[in-house]
Amino acid sequence: GAVVSQHPSWVICKSGTSVKIECRSLDFQATTMFWYRQFPKQSLMLMATSNEGSKATYEQGVEKDKFLINHASLTLSTLTVTSAHPEDSSFYICSALRTSNRGNTIYFGEGSWLTVV
Amino acid sequence: AQSVAQPEDQVNVAEGNPLTVKCTYSVSGNPYLFWYVQYPNRGLQFLLKYITGDNLVKGSYGFEAEFNKSQTSFHLKKPSALVSDSALYFCAVRDMYSSASKIIFGSGTRLSIRP
Repeated sequence: GAVVSQHPSWVICKSGTSVKIECRSLDFQATTMFWYRQFPKQSLMLMATSNEGSKATYEQGVEKDKFLINHASLTLSTLTVTSAHPEDSSFYICSALRTSNRGNTIYFGEGSWLTVV
Repeated sequence: AQSVAQPEDQVNVAEGNPLTVKCTYSVSGNPYLFWYVQYPNRGLQFLLKYITGDNLVKGSYGFEAEFNKSQTSFHLKKPSALVSDSALYFCAVRDMYSSASKIIFGSGTRLSIRP
């Protein structure tokens, strides 16, 4: 079964509104989570690294005020797309880093489709 | 900086034939290498990974990949393709010695298996 859950799977919002996407690690604690964005027929572009209890680290070219990331607990990171516009319509995928004494494993969520109309 | 390249946008193979999806990488240290598959409108599914050890890595659904350090490649292979293998395949790399643990993806290769 899934170990990383994203919600919602699909969301439609009006232009100018904000929308929040949640990423949860279901049976492990994740101090580090990652947010990716995928345009149709394109690759996954890393947007930011979400760190529990501290500010996210954004990749070059990603607007931190546009894409707000909050990693308030060890099992939850949220991505809020503020003042969404149609060009923000995309597939957003999160991943969570699971660390253990046997090594690190990254698990991906199922993704969230955002359509801004 | 780490990067990964998938030179083919699309690979077409007849069912039953062997398939290869190419991937080359660049990292400053030793790489962790991954292959993921994405079906339409879905998230990523992990296929296999290379960290250390044998250069030939076996993964899910009969896929395997060969790590070639001298050619900095990690091509995905399957001896006999199935129509159900048709999907989008991503190669990804993580720098083993990077504290950031972030995975960088290639541009993806669409695999189409014809009956």
